Amino acid sequence: NAGVTQTPKFQVLKTGQSMTLQCAQDMNHNSMYWYRQDPGMGLRLIYYSASEGTTDKGEVPNGYNVSRLNKREFSLRLESAAPSQTSVYFCASSYGGNTEAFFGQGTRLTVV
Amino acid sequence: AQSVTQLDSHVSVSEGTPVLLRCNYSSSYSPSLFWYVQHPNKGLQLLLKYTSAATLVKGINGFEAEFKKSETSFHLTKPSAHMSDAAEYFCVVSDLRAGGATNKLIFGTGTLLAVQP
Repeated sequence: NAGVTQTPKFQVLKTGQSMTLQCAQDMNHNSMYWYRQDPGMGLRLIYYSASEGTTDKGEVPNGYNVSRLNKREFSLRLESAAPSQTSVYFCASSYGGNTEAFFGQGTRLTVV
Repeated sequence: AQSVTQLDSHVSVSEGTPVLLRCNYSSSYSPSLFWYVQHPNKGLQLLLKYTSAATLVKGINGFEAEFKKSETSFHLTKPSAHMSDAAEYFCVVSDLRAGGATNKLIFGTGTLLAVQP
């Protein structure tokens, strides 16, 4: 089992460019999440999906969109990247309820 | 809204001495609480979790945490630090609304643990 797989691992974008971060899980989890990690701020929730076909905003959704493509895949899109979106992005999944989440290895994104 | 506060941003201990990483939470519901560890340039790994069973929770690598409702605390401890414990540790509370389908995991800002030889 691969667990949670994110692609790409590293990306450099110019301001105004767009890109999609991909995430897939093979644990048959219902819920999926996108977080960003910035120094001294912990992980902040961008968007989450409780189940296939549903998505909801987290703490910091501005500038992002998501798609729950199917039960396995949850993508995060930056339509017009800004330097403030320079961060490490983590995808996670869980069975939902009060269960723990499993995390991918992260995507380090730099916007110049 | 639920939240979690990690009281120390940095903790430094000597190898072989005890570790204490402090966490306080705020929750309107019966919370689920977690500790995650992140080694440099790595993803996050679950250390342990509390989900309303025993208040003293044992995790991996000799770590444990005690849920104290009266103090709204969930401090992480280890009797003897090892060099490999140097990492960043996150206390996490589950924001599960009654009848909700999924939990939004709310992270603390992290505690960076340094272990001196």
